[in-house]
Amino acid sequence: SQQGEEDPQALSIQEGENATMNCSYKTSINNLQWYRQNSGRGLVHLILIRSNEREKHSGRLRVTLDTSKKSSSLLITASRAADTASYFCATDTSGTYKYIFGTGTRLKVLA
Amino acid sequence: GAGVSQSPSNKVTEKGKDVELRCDPISGHTALYWYRQSLGQGLEFLIYFQGNSAPDKSGLPSDRFSAERTGGSVSTLTIQRTQQEDSAVYLCASSRGREAFFGQGTRLTVV
Repeated sequence: SQQGEEDPQALSIQEGENATMNCSYKTSINNLQWYRQNSGRGLVHLILIRSNEREKHSGRLRVTLDTSKKSSSLLITASRAADTASYFCATDTSGTYKYIFGTGTRLKVLA
Repeated sequence: GAGVSQSPSNKVTEKGKDVELRCDPISGHTALYWYRQSLGQGLEFLIYFQGNSAPDKSGLPSDRFSAERTGGSVSTLTIQRTQQEDSAVYLCASSRGREAFFGQGTRLTVV
């Protein structure tokens, strides 16, 4: 079963613009991660945010977490064509590192 | 090894046949995950191995699915009497902590 649900399902922007994706989840979490998937195969870890953190940055990525709303957002600034991919959030609810993934957002960055 | 290795990368099988999918995790990683991804969908959790603990099999969709992990390393996912709805990409990941490293997946097509 899906724990997280990303919004929007698909997003198309121009190169240089910012892209924002949201993840909502159902039960309390220990931490939340964002992953990127190119071409429907292996996923690559982007960033992890713990339940007691509200914001983290990594390069052009900014992640926020609002545990009261059970939601997280991923912001990619100054997007590039190479950012075209699907983005997934994954939540760990039990502290055992068993990750449940959301439905994903398909991002397309137009050159 | 350098990364998580899955084999075969593609498998076409006839309905009713059994298939075995293999995952070689990164050396030293105690956690191993199997996920299934249908076309354009999110990742569906199947099974999670953590060290010597009993595996979390709560995501296996039916008793036709089973998995084992030998010697805390290589894992095999077995699907018996395959059905067309089993067609998907099967992704394996391993972890030593919070970040999961994914293989490139096995694309299973049941005809």
